[in-house]
Amino acid sequence: DAKTTQPPSMDCAEGRAANLPCNHSTISGNEYVYWYRQIHSQGPQYIIHGLKNNETNEMASLIITEDRKSSTLILPHATLRDTAVYYCIVRSPMSSGGGADGLTFGKGTHLIIQP
Amino acid sequence: NAGVMQNPRHLVRRRGQEARLRCSPMKGHSHVYWYRQLPEEGLKFMVYLQKENIIDESGMPKERFSAEFPKEGPSILRIQQVVRGDSAAYFCASSPRTFLAKNIQYFGAGTRLSVL
Repeated sequence: DAKTTQPPSMDCAEGRAANLPCNHSTISGNEYVYWYRQIHSQGPQYIIHGLKNNETNEMASLIITEDRKSSTLILPHATLRDTAVYYCIVRSPMSSGGGADGLTFGKGTHLIIQP
Repeated sequence: NAGVMQNPRHLVRRRGQEARLRCSPMKGHSHVYWYRQLPEEGLKFMVYLQKENIIDESGMPKERFSAEFPKEGPSILRIQQVVRGDSAAYFCASSPRTFLAKNIQYFGAGTRLSVL
């Protein structure tokens, strides 16, 4: 799996857009970028994923640079409930077993939304 | 569609006892994963199972830990002769068997194990 680098912490004002960066300079051609988050004392939650095109869903947007060496997760209107640790994970979508491999979680970015 | 169900949510054991953690995957999901999160640390992958098969147990401690996912019923993570260092949150995740799933895993709320 490609290694990812994220800032350890970020602050964002409530109602503003939160932009969380992730560097993955060693990403290979078949690897996707996934974002998960973990709100304190809860299980991780899938947010979004992408290969090379920008993606948007009801939770967030994912912007991937053209060379795919970095990406940004955007929470368009952050709320206090978005305070969590956000994990950027890069890996291929399928293992040889036909399913998905176990995820490798780094330290992530602790996003704190300020009122 | 119910999410991934884990029980119990909290489990207290004395040193030397056995802990059994249960995980029911989301309906239609045939892949189950177990992760451990030690206090103030990140999530670590432990084991990946399909029905009646262990696919990858590279993250499992070599002794005292075992996992199963029988044909019927939930997946079980079993810890024998627990020690204080086993105190952690144990999370289960599931994923459907389809390429369209793109490695997305859905997590349960976890079981918090405390060893006295």
